[in-house]
Amino acid sequence: GPKVLQIPSHQIIDMGQMVTLNCDPVSNHLYFYWYKQILGQQMEFLVNFYNGKVMEKSKLFKDQFSVERPDGSYFTLKIQPTALEDSAVYFCASSLRKSGNTLYFGEGSRLIVV
Amino acid sequence: GEKVEQHESTLSVREGDSAVINCTYTDTASSYFPWYKQEAGKSLHFVIDIRSNVDRKQSQRLIVLLDKKAKRFSLHITATQPEDSAIYFCAARRNYNQGKLIFGQGTKLSIKP
Repeated sequence: GPKVLQIPSHQIIDMGQMVTLNCDPVSNHLYFYWYKQILGQQMEFLVNFYNGKVMEKSKLFKDQFSVERPDGSYFTLKIQPTALEDSAVYFCASSLRKSGNTLYFGEGSRLIVV
Repeated sequence: GEKVEQHESTLSVREGDSAVINCTYTDTASSYFPWYKQEAGKSLHFVIDIRSNVDRKQSQRLIVLLDKKAKRFSLHITATQPEDSAIYFCAARRNYNQGKLIFGQGTKLSIKP
């Protein structure tokens, strides 16, 4: 089936450094999402993105977070600076349309901030 | 804000029996309710969904029931098999104009031989 690819699969980073998580969504999809999952439990919505703009974001999407998709390439989540509580698995997802459509998730990027 | 509560954090059933996972939601404007399965160390995969215009949907061994009055929906897995073992997440989405899914906390389903 359709695949969402995420790079890196895992990364260890010093607190205060910057990290960029990359997502290659399904090729014809138009809506992109980031979710955060801690300890294999709750999937928390961070942000969704369409047509070059953030459409919705949660309170977990702190000022240190930013997303972009320059020139239709990777959809990225940047955290600058990172904090210890940013340690989690970040899942990217994409869908063809906003409503009534399945979200396809990537395998996740495990981020460990030390 | 919107919340989705998943009542069972773990569930263990014998192979061949049925498993039922229950969820409730708070936002009366929710209209779309998908279920996702996450196997150990893997990503989430869509399994089945239901929209608010129906109260039951079946796909092979999976049945989803929706009770809009009670703001409750459930996933029934019949004739369980070992490969059904995973974490199952329910989710809800608000109205037509909002894209984000709000997930429940997940239920770890174990199928015993």
